[in-house]
Amino acid sequence: EPEVTQTPSHQVTQMGQEVILRCVPISNHLYFYWYRQILGQKVEFLVSFYNNEISEKSEIFDDQFSVERPDGSNFTLKIRSTKLEDSAMYFCASIMTGWSYEQYFGPGTRLTVT
Amino acid sequence: GQQLNQSPQSMFIQEGEDVSMNCTSSSIFNTWLWYKQDPGEGPVLLIALYKAGELTSNGRLTAQFGITRKDSFLNISASIPSDVGIYFCAGYLGNQFYFGTGTSLTVIP
Repeated sequence: EPEVTQTPSHQVTQMGQEVILRCVPISNHLYFYWYRQILGQKVEFLVSFYNNEISEKSEIFDDQFSVERPDGSNFTLKIRSTKLEDSAMYFCASIMTGWSYEQYFGPGTRLTVT
Repeated sequence: GQQLNQSPQSMFIQEGEDVSMNCTSSSIFNTWLWYKQDPGEGPVLLIALYKAGELTSNGRLTAQFGITRKDSFLNISASIPSDVGIYFCAGYLGNQFYFGTGTSLTVIP
């Protein structure tokens, strides 16, 4: 069964460093998302991406964040200068079309900023 | 952002019991979804609901899209130990998915 994959599973970085989180969405899906989940809290929307551009972003997704689909399969989230409060699980998700809201999540990347 | 409140916050039940949980919002949503999340893993989609009043089942799970479009309900019948986890509702509005606060379910064998 097709699935969303994410790498790395765990990333430890020092405050101020740049990190890139990688995702491979399901191959025939067209809409891509990044979410954040701070430990013990709810899942929070960061950004949605369609047709090689951002379609929606939340207040959390400030200038420190960027997303890219550098090739036909990868979808990346970059945090330019990490802060302690960026420590969280980051989930990638994808949807096949704009008419289906069945969103499939990857296993997540645990980001720890020290 | 939109607030989706889930209740109860946590549940401890005996194996074999039925479970009911709900999700309410002050806003109207066009789509409701229910997810289950195991520790350290991503949410797994259980049920998607697209129409007010819709009742949809997936095995022992049944979910309903509230008539007011501001709430949704999830029922699990005859619970088993692997039902343990956190259940999240999510509503779709304005190109975004908004997640609820979660209901933690513990099933005692």
